[in-house]
Amino acid sequence: ETGVTQSPTHLIKTRGQQVTLRCSSQSGHNTVSWYQQALGQGPQFIFQYYREEENGRGNFPPRFSGLQFPNYSSELNVNALELDDSALYLCASSLGGQGMNTEAFFGQGTRLTVV
Amino acid sequence: RKEVEQDPGPFNVPEGATVAFNCTYSNSASQSFFWYRQDCRKEPKLLMSVYSSGNEDGRFTAQLNRASQYISLLIRDSKLSDSATYLCAVNRGSNDMRFGAGTRLTVKP
Repeated sequence: ETGVTQSPTHLIKTRGQQVTLRCSSQSGHNTVSWYQQALGQGPQFIFQYYREEENGRGNFPPRFSGLQFPNYSSELNVNALELDDSALYLCASSLGGQGMNTEAFFGQGTRLTVV
Repeated sequence: RKEVEQDPGPFNVPEGATVAFNCTYSNSASQSFFWYRQDCRKEPKLLMSVYSSGNEDGRFTAQLNRASQYISLLIRDSKLSDSATYLCAVNRGSNDMRFGAGTRLTVKP
């Protein structure tokens, strides 16, 4: 087990609603990255948080937002849900910092279905 | 063009076969490289890091060619349990990791 936990594991929401997904990073890790994985695709980078600040963002609209807490756990918020937001949302924990290039370890994911 | 590209497969091979996966990346500033394995409806799990000198872990061998911006994974003596999707991951720096779409492998008896 990686020690990275995500909640909830499954979620069904209606189009237009808002959702919050949560991630607890592995002990000793200070960086959390969020990914969206649609069926049959690789994980797509949403954004990364390092020491409570956003530290890089992929090609996702502003309705995808997040934060990181002092204990390095993190939340992903998605507003105005669209049907295409249905996917597996993955959180990856790593030990980050300038020049760091370490492995990332994933949580089990949250499967979001928007109807 | 995607930043990380993989042959999607699927690769269907018999037990005991040797199979190789390729991955190319476009960002020449990429700093570290990994292979992940993902089982159906599960999260990706780190299989191995990829070093410039090449590295081996049992039946698995990974190679990196920085000049050609190319990464490979070789699996020897395939087992049924190797059936999964293999994801190539490229770290752009400061743990900004980008993934390919994955290559699906099915090992058959």
